[in-house]
Amino acid sequence: RKEVEQDPGPFNVPEGATVAFNCTYSNSASQSFFWYRQDCRKEPKLLMSVYSSGNEDGRFTAQLNRASQYISLLIRDSKLSDSATYLCVVNKKGNDMRFGAGTRLTVKP
Amino acid sequence: GAVVSQHPSRVICKSGTSVKIECRSLDFQATTMFWYRQFPKQSLMLMATSNEGSKATYEQGVEKDKFLINHASLTLSTLTVTSAHPEDSSFYICSARDGGSTDTQYFGPGTRLTVL
Repeated sequence: RKEVEQDPGPFNVPEGATVAFNCTYSNSASQSFFWYRQDCRKEPKLLMSVYSSGNEDGRFTAQLNRASQYISLLIRDSKLSDSATYLCVVNKKGNDMRFGAGTRLTVKP
Repeated sequence: GAVVSQHPSRVICKSGTSVKIECRSLDFQATTMFWYRQFPKQSLMLMATSNEGSKATYEQGVEKDKFLINHASLTLSTLTVTSAHPEDSSFYICSARDGGSTDTQYFGPGTRLTVL
């Protein structure tokens, strides 16, 4: 079983739609959690950290369920510029980040 | 945000040659740098963790004699792919962890290596 699992997609949604991505992780000792965004042939860029209490940044909402070892990302009012691959990242300890394979999103006009 | 640079951004080389990739943290000191490899449509795979002034820690399955890592200063780590073969063609990305911050890593723009 992979350490971090994501639905690879692709998710094809119209502009303005709400879309949700899920991620599960296998190591219950994981300490910190992130969503990164990666555009084609570019490096990953931090989108947001994920906290147990849930956190929101504009149109993006991230949730963490430690009991279920489950992380989610919700994007509201999708924009064309949101098209990218979204990577779920789990940090077991300070120097050990594990990446999911990514979920590809395409937002269409 | 913090900036990490990589050089070169793209390299094409012949089979059997060695290629050196540099990773620099431009506005912070990186006690730890990481090297990843990403094949098309796959996730980033951690190759090794590089700590300033000490030997790198390699992930299982990554040959340390083939992928030489040097982290001689707090702002520079290098990855040398020795005797490159076509199967080494990939997107190599470094990241750096700010010693004074949280667990966030900052990624370099990546180096696309093509071995003919």
